Amino acid sequence: DTAVSQTPKYLVTQMGNDKSIKCEQNLGHDTMYWYKQDSKKFLKIMFSYNNKELIINETVPNRFSPKSPDKAHLNLHINSLELGDSAVYFCASSQRGQGYEQYFGPGTRLTVT
Amino acid sequence: RKEVEQDPGPFNVPEGATVAFNCTYSNSASQSFFWYRQDCRKEPKLLMSVYSSGNEDGRFTAQLNRASQYISLLIRDSKLSDSATYLCAVNPTGTASKLTFGTGTRLQVTL
Repeated sequence: DTAVSQTPKYLVTQMGNDKSIKCEQNLGHDTMYWYKQDSKKFLKIMFSYNNKELIINETVPNRFSPKSPDKAHLNLHINSLELGDSAVYFCASSQRGQGYEQYFGPGTRLTVT
Repeated sequence: RKEVEQDPGPFNVPEGATVAFNCTYSNSASQSFFWYRQDCRKEPKLLMSVYSSGNEDGRFTAQLNRASQYISLLIRDSKLSDSATYLCAVNPTGTASKLTFGTGTRLQVTL
């Protein structure tokens, strides 16, 4: 199936740990994103990569580090996890020049205890 | 003023009703506009792009009003399966790929 996929789907961890979330898209898109959706359901962009180049970096703590090994993959590493990092993290992709329509992965529900 | 604002609802409507949501945006230079649907504990799914001249997809009609800086979504003949949260998204600059989302409007269609 063509899609945006993320792993893991659920992640429960303790404060202070370091964790990674992976994202892959096989839609042939050149741009990928990380969004955070908090408990109030507000969906906010964190990062965007176009062809492995960082193009959007919103005001996000530097404990969050995205990495794009190629244009089909975008990973998110989080150091020293805090309670406030608990949220659903969505990966998305789009193709530049096609109206910025973005397609989302299923999300990773992160719970920090 | 928030960049993108929506009435959170919930809008409770009976099956078969017509319901409309608005979404206002603050940046007059915004270029692209979208409606997404998000079911509980699921990812947002693109419902439709919003074109300047307005566009329709089956029971769904989207409109853009640049003068008043809002977009709208009209759902005719509501179905139970339309129950979801509807998010509007705006590309505020047209130069980067950034989308700014509203907080969503919750729709509950009842028997």
